[in-house]
Amino acid sequence: GAGVSQSPRYKVTKRGQDVALRCDPISGHVSLYWYRQALGQGPEFLTYFNYEAQQDKSGLPNDRFSAERPEGSISTLTIQRTEQRDSAMYRCASSLSDRTGLNTEAFFGQGTRLTVV
Amino acid sequence: RKEVEQDPGPFNVPEGATVAFNCTYSNSASQSFFWYRQDCRKEPKLLMSVYSSGNEDGRFTAQLNRASQYISLLIRDSKLSDSATYLCVTRGYYGQNFVFGPGTRLSVLP
Repeated sequence: GAGVSQSPRYKVTKRGQDVALRCDPISGHVSLYWYRQALGQGPEFLTYFNYEAQQDKSGLPNDRFSAERPEGSISTLTIQRTEQRDSAMYRCASSLSDRTGLNTEAFFGQGTRLTVV
Repeated sequence: RKEVEQDPGPFNVPEGATVAFNCTYSNSASQSFFWYRQDCRKEPKLLMSVYSSGNEDGRFTAQLNRASQYISLLIRDSKLSDSATYLCVTRGYYGQNFVFGPGTRLSVLP
């Protein structure tokens, strides 16, 4: 597609349910990032992949959060046993592979607004 | 302490004003620097990359001071359409994640 696509755009779920958020990056982009953004704050890093390899998951809040990118393209962020504090905007971004890594732009999707009730 | 910190804002300025945003970062290994713009309820979008020698794009000028680990963004002749949140972003060596600051909100008033 032309841009980063995330689905669903909105998700309301009951506390204790599992949710899966999907990200389809720009075609050919090697790196894929997941962020969480609270209102009035900047994006907070969760995890990222180069190809199918998860490079850094240090930002995942706890073991209820996991992510995968099995074929190096589409990625899924899964939250198990959701809690009200998980309510936020979840954003995915992708970027080209760059040999130097310098000045390689990250392109964001429109995000998934998760509300846990 | 956050890895990237910015002026808390908000900044409310009249049209035509010049406004400057400041940003500091704590990771001395940071290699790439950016300013992103985020409109209300929208995704962040790249405004400009920041180069070591400083760079300009129309009314926007970015500066980097590696020794002080400081980045700035200057907007001249502010327009109503410049109203947004400006996010300072750093990145480490190849393939690392982008680290975002909390953002500074700008409102340009008629």
